[in-house]
Amino acid sequence: NAGVMQNPRHLVRRRGQEARLRCSPMKGHSHVYWYRQLPEEGLKFMVYLQKENIIDESGMPKERFSAEFPKEGPSILRIQQVVRGDSAAYFCASSQREGHYEQYFGPGTRLTVT
Amino acid sequence: KQEVTQIPAALSVPEGENLVLNCSFTDSAIYNLQWFRQDPGKGLTSLLLIQSSQREQTSGRLNASLDKSSGRSTLYIAASQPGDSATYLCAVPVGGNKLVFGAGTILRVKS
Repeated sequence: NAGVMQNPRHLVRRRGQEARLRCSPMKGHSHVYWYRQLPEEGLKFMVYLQKENIIDESGMPKERFSAEFPKEGPSILRIQQVVRGDSAAYFCASSQREGHYEQYFGPGTRLTVT
Repeated sequence: KQEVTQIPAALSVPEGENLVLNCSFTDSAIYNLQWFRQDPGKGLTSLLLIQSSQREQTSGRLNASLDKSSGRSTLYIAASQPGDSATYLCAVPVGGNKLVFGAGTILRVKS
């Protein structure tokens, strides 16, 4: 059973470009979470999605950031017009059910904005 | 607002020592607590999940305990090895879905 997959593992973007980060949850998991780890900071929740629905986006910046989890295909975290402060490791996690169930994390995408 | 604190921030021990990592949380109304390991530049590996009804969980050389009333959890690592060197994170769920993480303890086991 493959784990949570994220791609790309490393992404370099110039200021002003768009970044698209992909996450495929574990087989059988329909709940996806995105977290961000800024340099020298802890992991912070960004958004929680189920198939075709955003359930909780309380941790996501209001501008330039969006997320989706379509009926078919991976979950996408999209950052428009990236700035240097967006440089971070972005982790995706998935769980089998809603609620207080164990979350399994992917290897992360390390975004560098130059 | 739930806050999670981990002490110490960093720990360096010689190989073979038993050690304890500490995690505290401000809101004791938690459903579970999860311990993770993060290697440099890598993702998170789940080590142990303790349900609120449990007092402890064991996996190999790892033992995690939970005291909800005092808002504390400890991760005990027996007979530490250089391969245990990593950052250890604890996290609790808030609002049913999002995890709140501590800042982590950076462990170095010297051979």
